Amino acid sequence: GENVEQHPSTLSVQEGDSAVIKCTYSDSASNYFPWYKQELGKGPQLIIDIRSNVGEKKDQRIAVTLNKTAKHFSLHITETQPEDSAVYFCAASPPEADGLTFGKGTHLIIQP
Amino acid sequence: NAGVTQTPKFQVLKTGQSMTLQCAQDMNHEYMSWYRQDPGMGLRLIHYSVGAGITDQGEVPNGYNVSRSTTEDFPLRLLSAAPSQTSVYFCASSYYQGAHNEQFFGPGTRLTVL
Repeated sequence: GENVEQHPSTLSVQEGDSAVIKCTYSDSASNYFPWYKQELGKGPQLIIDIRSNVGEKKDQRIAVTLNKTAKHFSLHITETQPEDSAVYFCAASPPEADGLTFGKGTHLIIQP
Repeated sequence: NAGVTQTPKFQVLKTGQSMTLQCAQDMNHEYMSWYRQDPGMGLRLIHYSVGAGITDQGEVPNGYNVSRSTTEDFPLRLLSAAPSQTSVYFCASSYYQGAHNEQFFGPGTRLTVL
């Protein structure tokens, strides 16, 4: 089955700086790559996703890049703000999969 | 819309006890699933359902049962609780069948088994 590795486990950046979280996956058939944000005491919430037919997708301060050859994808957050502090999970899924395979999460800390 | 609701929010069980975690959604979603979240482990799929009357196993189904008698409800049953089932449980739903769509997660149930 699919295996997703996520790095780093903790990331601390100054407010206003950029943050980058990286994930690798093992199943070359995977074609759907979402990112979820989980705030303390809440369930995860989708912030952006990308499918294998595109290499990059942007939504305001958030962008995701995908390199299918290398089997890795990354989340980029620019101009970080205090409300960006949370745990972020990447996930990957091959076609017709039962569910998502998640990475272990990155705790993003925005320092004022 | 309330979205995805889960009850209870917290629960403490003794080893061997049974209980049911409730999950309901009011978005008329066909696909529903249960994940468990353990420290440093991410989320792992327990069971899922693609519609009323249809359920199937995910990555870690042992010790859990599910049923789907209505579109709205997808309860998760622990038959005989074990300390290894101490975890945070999340229910999720999506409009379209399968995982390649936005999953709407509930707020979670934190379960401790002594």
